Amino acid sequence: AQSVAQPEDQVNVAEGNPLTVKCTYSVSGNPYLFWYVQYPNRGLQFLLKYITGDNLVKGSYGFEAEFNKSQTSFHLKKPSALVSDSALYFCAVRDYGGTALIFGKGTTLSVSS
Amino acid sequence: GAVVSQHPSWVICKSGTSVKIECRSLDFQATTMFWYRQFPKQSLMLMATSNEGSKATYEQGVEKDKFLINHASLTLSTLTVTSAHPEDSSFYICSARDGRNVDSIYNEQFFGPGTRLTVL
Repeated sequence: AQSVAQPEDQVNVAEGNPLTVKCTYSVSGNPYLFWYVQYPNRGLQFLLKYITGDNLVKGSYGFEAEFNKSQTSFHLKKPSALVSDSALYFCAVRDYGGTALIFGKGTTLSVSS
Repeated sequence: GAVVSQHPSWVICKSGTSVKIECRSLDFQATTMFWYRQFPKQSLMLMATSNEGSKATYEQGVEKDKFLINHASLTLSTLTVTSAHPEDSSFYICSARDGRNVDSIYNEQFFGPGTRLTVL
């Protein structure tokens, strides 16, 4: 069965510092991996996805993620955090030919000024 | 980009009434729509998957008679919470996907802004 793990409930960083939000996955076959961000009482906004190709994926708002097949990880990163990045971040996976996305439990990112 | 809308964004109803939530894909044809439920500070739990013109496929533990899903067109799906009770209060999020071309960019899902349901 497909699954996604986000081991951290919360990540705290200071503005200007690099941030990492961790995600590991388990899926049969090649995975499709996604990161979404959610602001309070809002739907999910797409950040980036990995389908195939380069392991480093660049997405919206300066975020990027590195796909590591051997470690089955897809960590979200940003070189310099902004206070406005504070939100709930979800990692999701869908295997090729699958339909719905399976989400991790989410990680709350808090960026302090 | 692809846009998905939901209506209403917020609804308060009395226990025992039914509530209908609409999900629309505004600029693409959604062959597949998904309904998720999210509790406060928790992840999205998939409730059901619906393909246009077909009956929805419900996840284990989701009552199909309570959560009626209709996907009658390529741009509209509805979720009706029947005889709502306070425990049905939640944030309901739909998403849509154009799955006609498995390699197309629209292979990804696009999410609506969500509907906050409060049952008194």
